[in-house]
Amino acid sequence: EAGVVQSPRYKIIEKKQPVAFWCNPISGHNTLYWYRQNLGQGPELLIRYENEEAVDDSQLPKDRFSAERLKGVDSTLKIQPAELGDSAVYLCASSGRNQETQYFGPGTRLLVL
Amino acid sequence: QQPVQSPQAVILREGEDAVINCSSSKALYSVHWYRQKHGEAPVFLMILLKGGEQKGHDKISASFNEKKQQSSLYLTASQLSYSGTYFCGTVGRIQGAQKLVFGQGTRLTINP
Repeated sequence: EAGVVQSPRYKIIEKKQPVAFWCNPISGHNTLYWYRQNLGQGPELLIRYENEEAVDDSQLPKDRFSAERLKGVDSTLKIQPAELGDSAVYLCASSGRNQETQYFGPGTRLLVL
Repeated sequence: QQPVQSPQAVILREGEDAVINCSSSKALYSVHWYRQKHGEAPVFLMILLKGGEQKGHDKISASFNEKKQQSSLYLTASQLSYSGTYFCGTVGRIQGAQKLVFGQGTRLTINP
């Protein structure tokens, strides 16, 4: 069984530029999560989807961050414009019907210069 | 709301035991444990549900004291492969929805 797939794995951009991350969850997993992990810290939830509905986006900085999961499978997280403080690893995770175990992808390491 | 892990870091020799603690100020529904190696994704280890249960596989086990809102991860006879950062994630009841909140992590280094 394939795990959570994310791309790109690394991204270097200049501040004020836009950037997008893509995630493909484990097949059959209805719940999808986007986390941000700063260096030396634990992951912090940005947004959680149940199928195509964003059920928890309270931690998403909506002035510059947006996300979508149009068909309830793949998801895209966008930052526009990026700021220096956005440098972090962006992790995608998915879980099945019981929502108890979250499986993480390898993450996208973003560096904003 | 973030759970507090202790210690922040620990260095052991191969074969020694380690205990990592996780405590919360909120009533908990469950505790999740993950291990993350440098540059890799967090890998799920186990989940403990309310009810004060204990779990374990191989030489890694964990306990959950619901009343004290604490969980501990036990690594016995540590192996080099156990090195990494261990995160606990707690699920409480926040605004009627379950949300996994991670601690700051405990960095475990196993030396030969």
